[in-house]
Amino acid sequence: EPEVTQTPSHQVTQMGQEVILRCVPISNHLYFYWYRQILGQKVEFLVSFYNNEISEKSEIFDDQFSVERPDGSNFTLKIRSTKLEDSAMYFCASRGSEGTEAFFGQGTRLTVV
Amino acid sequence: DAKTTQPPSMDCAEGRAANLPCNHSTISGNEYVYWYRQIHSQGPQYIIHGLKNNETNEMASLIITEDRKSSTLILPHATLRDTAVYYCIVRVWGGGSNYKLTFGKGTLLTVNP
Repeated sequence: EPEVTQTPSHQVTQMGQEVILRCVPISNHLYFYWYRQILGQKVEFLVSFYNNEISEKSEIFDDQFSVERPDGSNFTLKIRSTKLEDSAMYFCASRGSEGTEAFFGQGTRLTVV
Repeated sequence: DAKTTQPPSMDCAEGRAANLPCNHSTISGNEYVYWYRQIHSQGPQYIIHGLKNNETNEMASLIITEDRKSSTLILPHATLRDTAVYYCIVRVWGGGSNYKLTFGKGTLLTVNP
């Protein structure tokens, strides 16, 4: 069964460092998303991406965040200068055509120290 | 999207049916009821969705009241692996590039041996 793959599963980084979280969406999917979940809190929407551009972003997704689809298979989330409060699970999701549901990856646990 | 209300936690005996309620009294005519679950900080997993008719798939059944103000997700024979947080989400079907899931706190279902 096709799945969304995220790497790494766990990343530790120092405050102020840049970090890139990687995702390989399901092949032929058109819509891509990032969500995050701070420990013990709700899953929160960050950004949606379609046709090589951001279609919607939340207020969490400020100038420190960026997304990119550098090639036909990867979808990345970059945090330019990490803060302690960026520590969370980050989930990538992808979706096929209109009317289909999103498939989530297993997440990357980001720990900022 | 309409707001949903779920009990914070429920218990169920293994092998028995688990019935998870959700209230969505402000649901509008074009909004669907979706259910996702999250097993121990893994990525959310789609379960089922419906508009007004009852729905069934290989994972669960969804019962929506006639006035559509509440619904029940039924896991017919719960197993220990069904222990998870279950989210009831109400949203418009489709959404194109603006498809976005708004997660609440959900119901922690604990299946006991």
